[in-house]
Amino acid sequence: IQLTQSPSSLSASIGDRVTITCRASQTISTYLNWYQQKPRKAPRVLIYAASNLQSEIPSRFSGSGSGTEFNLTISSLQPEDFATYYCQQSYHVRTFGQGTKVEIK
Amino acid sequence: QVQLVQSGAEVKSPGASVRISCKASGYRFTDFAIHWVRQAPGQGLEWVGWTNPAIGDATYSQKFQGRVTFRSDTSATTVDMELSSLTFEDTATFYCTRDAKVVGASENWFEPWGQGTLVTVSS
Repeated sequence: IQLTQSPSSLSASIGDRVTITCRASQTISTYLNWYQQKPRKAPRVLIYAASNLQSEIPSRFSGSGSGTEFNLTISSLQPEDFATYYCQQSYHVRTFGQGTKVEIK
Repeated sequence: QVQLVQSGAEVKSPGASVRISCKASGYRFTDFAIHWVRQAPGQGLEWVGWTNPAIGDATYSQKFQGRVTFRSDTSATTVDMELSSLTFEDTATFYCTRDAKVVGASENWFEPWGQGTLVTVSS
């Protein structure tokens, strides 16, 4: 199963609403997770099973979608949110999207 | 607390093999699958494979099949990854990570992660 994220990178300002899309090559129900990774750090899960917020993750992060199209939304971008975001499926073995780098405008 | 601690950085020559260790603590070791993920410098995350420590079986990504082996030691609560026939393209950070839900559960995700082990392939 291939996952395609869009965009590959984006520039945004503090307070902006940001949406990242992940498309699967076949239906994966809601077996889709989102991770954030900062330089030289291990990834951390933000959203699991498409729309469930991991504990201790700020509520400005949300996930939606099912089947083949999924979104990660940051409602109001904060300085600590500049990072790379990955989607990942667990429907059949595991694969990651190629990542979306969120940069400061 | 649940924790995964990996062995230190390695420098290897092309054609050699490398073994990385992942020590688990804070939970029942045999209840959760362990996965390995590769990240080349400046690149994305790439799933290598996973193992069920309870029975020692493993599933590998096609890309690494034939070159990678996972071994579990239930008494030491460790999972080792051995990667052979190293090339310069294997220079990367390797992470071990655990499924958040027990083996056999649906809709799993990775939590927690080890700190990463840098493997440098250099002549």
